[in-house]
Amino acid sequence: AQKITQTQPGMFVQEKEAVTLDCTYDTSDPSYGLFWYKQPSSGEMIFLIYQGSYDQQNATEGRYSLNFQKARKSANLVISASQLGDSAMYFCAMREGRLAGGFKTIFGAGTRLFVKA
Amino acid sequence: DGGITQSPKYLFRKEGQNVTLSCEQNLNHDAMYWYRQDPGQGLRLIYYSQIVNDFQKGDIAEGYSVSREKKESFPLTVTSAQKNPTAFYLCASSMGLLVETQYFGPGTRLLVL
Repeated sequence: AQKITQTQPGMFVQEKEAVTLDCTYDTSDPSYGLFWYKQPSSGEMIFLIYQGSYDQQNATEGRYSLNFQKARKSANLVISASQLGDSAMYFCAMREGRLAGGFKTIFGAGTRLFVKA
Repeated sequence: DGGITQSPKYLFRKEGQNVTLSCEQNLNHDAMYWYRQDPGQGLRLIYYSQIVNDFQKGDIAEGYSVSREKKESFPLTVTSAQKNPTAFYLCASSMGLLVETQYFGPGTRLLVL
């Protein structure tokens, strides 16, 4: 069964508008971390934002925020005021805690974001 | 500046040849990882190491080998037993193995001649 699901293979957004990239996850471990990475065409994976399963507040990092809905097991990434440089592949990922072994980060299939001028 | 370096950026392998991909980090991280990415897909774990002289197989370890003789170095060897090695290889590190953020190197693209 898929543990990380990104249902949007591709998304378009107009420059300066906000966009939400969807991510749902599945785990029975009460301790886990959720991550979003950006992969531009150069290939490097750039860490964007982290949300811990016990965090009460949604994580924010500059123009990035994570809409964490624990009961629904969703961790959507919101990018505000999109810029042309935001065009890239975006991966949602999860690391489970000690109960599940804790060693592996599981990645979704990714969403390709295109920002239009 | 702290970070992870991978070399070379591009690597060409001939049939039956073993090749080694380098990964070095100066972040003082204990854990290191190797991932493989095929076009249009996510990342799959090849090997990981929690501490020096210890490493474990990931989901797709067949045809690969690693060593961890130093904390800062985690080289990956793609052996001739790996029949489809053409892919993008990413090395990562983290403070520990649990719910810690992983940081990635720039990657090595391996092509078969």
